[in-house]
Formats: sequence, structure tokens, C-alpha cells
Amino acid sequence: DQQVKQNSPSLSVQEGRISILNCDYTNSMFDYFLWYKKYPAEGPTFLISISSIKDKNEDGRFTVFLNKSAKHLSLHIVPSQPGDSAVYFCAASTIIQGAQKLVFGQGTRLTINP
Amino acid sequence: AAGVIQSPRHLIKEKRETATLKCYPIPRHDTVYWYQQGPGQDPQFLISFYEKMQSDKGSIPDRFSAQQFSDYHSELNMSSLELGDSALYFCASKEGSLSYNEQFFGPGTRLTVL
Repeated sequence: DQQVKQNSPSLSVQEGRISILNCDYTNSMFDYFLWYKKYPAEGPTFLISISSIKDKNEDGRFTVFLNKSAKHLSLHIVPSQPGDSAVYFCAASTIIQGAQKLVFGQGTRLTINP
Repeated sequence: AAGVIQSPRHLIKEKRETATLKCYPIPRHDTVYWYQQGPGQDPQFLISFYEKMQSDKGSIPDRFSAQQFSDYHSELNMSSLELGDSALYFCASKEGSLSYNEQFFGPGTRLTVL
């Protein structure tokens, strides 16, 4: 039962254009969402997060949008740069019995073409 | 800035052997998480510790055990290794079990079981 889904395993975008990565979740208990970026042979690196009380959070070139009614979030990267090429994981979080549970999506491999 | 340290980075074991993976969290982080990422899969939560006590348990096999020590480092002990245990094992740390702070990931230990 995949509670967090990233339906696009890969995405290819031209340098300078906008990259949009999508994520859907099924569990309405999730109330905090995060995006991680992962390079080969490295651990996931935190990018940006959003609480369920917000619908948008922006940090430089990265913006995360949350649509609670649709249980959907997206990460926008603009402008895209070659160094953004990596695997992006969406993660959803809730606190149950005193512990934060983090559930990851399957990841989307983003390739930025020069 | 100090990051999460994992050792060893690579480990090769035979079937039915045991392995111990170590994780040193970021200073002042009191919560440690262990994840397993198989080839082409998303990280799967195994187990977490807060203030040296197990705070949550995920899909961790009975053959595995873990603990967090007084200096907050954690060790994942894996016995009777199987071929299917070959994966990347990530440790993540954060400050506070109940907070929604992001988890910071280590570089991972790549375990290969032959």
C-alpha cells in the first residue's frame, strides 16, 4: 500500500525552464510534507517543506504547493539548473504516539539538459 | 557544519553472517531513524529512537535489532543475513521526537550480501 506516490519515475527539462515534480498521498493524517534531493552515493538532502496549514512555501528557486483537498503537492524549480539533476523524493509526515512517521514516495529522477 | 556520519560506507557479507552498521547523529540531535532503500525503491522506515529509547518501529525484520547509546549514536545489528538484505541503509537524525523538524540523512551504508 503506497501511501505516497510519485507517478513520474523520470522527468527531463531544459536548462532555464521550470521543473515541476508531482506527488500524491492517500493518508489524510499526513500534515507535514517534505522534499528531499538525492545524488548518487549520497544520502537524501532536505530541500523544502510545507505544513498542512499552508498552501505554498517558497525558498529561492524552489516552491512547494500543497492542495489538501486533492491530496497533492508539487515542487517547482525555476529556473532549472544542471546541478538540479538528481532524484527527488517527496515525503509525508505525521506524528503518531509521540513519534514522527516519515513516508517516502518512489522518487522522480530529474535530468536538466543544457 | 557537522553532518550525520555512517560507518562503514560499504560492507560485503556472506549469507547467514552478521553485520553492524553505525550512525553518529548531528550534535544535539536526540532522535535517530534507520531506513532501508532497495535498488530502485524509496527509503523504507525501519526503526527510530528518541533519547535512547525506541520510539517507533517500521518494517524491520526480527533478525535485525538496533539501539541508541548514551552518546546518541545508534547501531543497527543484522543477523542471519539474506540476499534480500542487500540495500542502502540510511540513518537520519533530528532534534526532538515530537517536532516537525526535517530529518538530516547520512551518506548511507551500502550492504552487499553474497
